[in-house]
Amino acid sequence: DTEVTQTPKHLVMGMTNKKSLKCEQHMGHRAMYWYKQKAKKPPELMFVYSYEKLSINESVPSRFSPECPNSSLLNLHLHALQPEDSALYLCASSRQGYGYTFGSGTRLTVV
Amino acid sequence: QKEVEQDPGPLSVPEGAIVSLNCTYSNSAFQYFMWYRQYSRKGPELLMYTYSSGNKEDGRFTAQVDKSSKYISLFIRDSQPSDSATYLCAMSAGGFKTIFGAGTRLFVKA
Repeated sequence: DTEVTQTPKHLVMGMTNKKSLKCEQHMGHRAMYWYKQKAKKPPELMFVYSYEKLSINESVPSRFSPECPNSSLLNLHLHALQPEDSALYLCASSRQGYGYTFGSGTRLTVV
Repeated sequence: QKEVEQDPGPLSVPEGAIVSLNCTYSNSAFQYFMWYRQYSRKGPELLMYTYSSGNKEDGRFTAQVDKSSKYISLFIRDSQPSDSATYLCAMSAGGFKTIFGAGTRLFVKA
C-alpha cells in the first residue's frame, strides 16, 4: 500500500460547526504532516508529527487542532473556522523528513 | 527575498518539446531537492528527489542540481499532453521542514 488516504474529499461547514479531517497511511512512515493549499499557491506547512508526537506547529490558530492517535492515523479537528480558512487541506507522510507521499486532499469550504 | 524562487508561468509548449523547469534558492543549508507534479484538484506527487549536487534521470525526466549556483532544474523530454500540470520544486535541509517553490503551470498542446 503506497497511498495516503484522506476523508472526506469535500467538506462544507458553517463557522460555528465542528468537523474533523482524517488521514491514514500504511507505509510505515513515521512522519506525518498537515499542509494547507490555497488556489494557485504552494502548500503551506501547518503541523508535523514525528513518531506520533507533535514536533512542529507553524503558529497555526487554535481553531485547528491536530491529533495523531497512532502511527497510521492523523486527524485535524476544526472548530469556529473563518471563510478565509477555505482551502485544500493536504495530508502527507514520509520515511525521512523529505520526499513526501501526499493524499488527494480535502477541499474545505467555510460558509 | 524568498528562500525558493520559481517562475509561476504559465509555460505552453507543443507536444514532443523538451521542457525545462527551474528554481533558484538562497539557503545554502538545503541538501535535498525534490520535484512534485500536481494535477488540478489533486495532491502533489513526488516525481524525483536528489541529494546534494548532480544529475538524476528517470525515464523522460532528468533532475539537475547545481549547489554552487543554487540552481535546480527539471527537464522533460518528449513532452505529452498528460504532462500538463503544475510542477513544484521543493527543498529541505534535512529536518522536517520542506520549502516549496510557487509552482510552474505547464501546458503541453497536442
